[in-house]
Amino acid sequence: ETGVTQTPRHLVMGMTNKKSLKCEQHLGHNAMYWYKQSAKKPLELMFVYSLEERVENNSVPSRFSPECPNSSHLFLHLHTLQPEDSALYLCASSPRDRGGNEQFFGPGTRLTVL
Amino acid sequence: AQSVTQPDIHITVSEGASLELRCNYSYGATPYLFWYVQSPGQGLQLLLKYFSGDTLVQGIKGFEAEFKRSHSSFNLRKPSVHWRDAAEYFCAVGAHGYSTLTFGKGTMLLVSP
Repeated sequence: ETGVTQTPRHLVMGMTNKKSLKCEQHLGHNAMYWYKQSAKKPLELMFVYSLEERVENNSVPSRFSPECPNSSHLFLHLHTLQPEDSALYLCASSPRDRGGNEQFFGPGTRLTVL
Repeated sequence: AQSVTQPDIHITVSEGASLELRCNYSYGATPYLFWYVQSPGQGLQLLLKYFSGDTLVQGIKGFEAEFKRSHSSFNLRKPSVHWRDAAEYFCAVGAHGYSTLTFGKGTMLLVSP
């Protein structure tokens, strides 16, 4: 499989559930990103990992917990979410942690919180 | 900090007509500029990018964009739109030395028969 893959593609969860989103890149990149895309709002950068180290956390609530066990995998652990967290969650990767390198996106996970 | 403005939320174009989507950026130095396209339920796909050199950049699917430093703009163009081009288009700016991109709010392109 090539590119950036995300699983699951769709997820429905209750506010008391715990779930995880998975992202995998097969491009040999060493920077990975989580974005949140809500209707009528700009793409929101949540977390950036470079060489498996978190280098950016844009004031994301603690109910979102990222994990990057190696340069190919990125997880977003979810617990006690709110309905306003319903959105499309996009993962991306880029060749290195320097500006100018385009990011490659996965297809996203459509999350619905009931 | 950099910012991106896409002034048009929606644009409707007839199939076969030309297209121009506007993007204005704010950044103190030479920016890295990107256009992405997103089809419904999909992730973002890179159409083209500008780093340096020739200010007219060719991309995939017949798209091109022109970097105009004097206007702080990076408008996307296509001479003849196809119904398959209906999607949302995002302009983004990156800064040298940083990995993150700043995205505009997007422009939804509708193509009429």
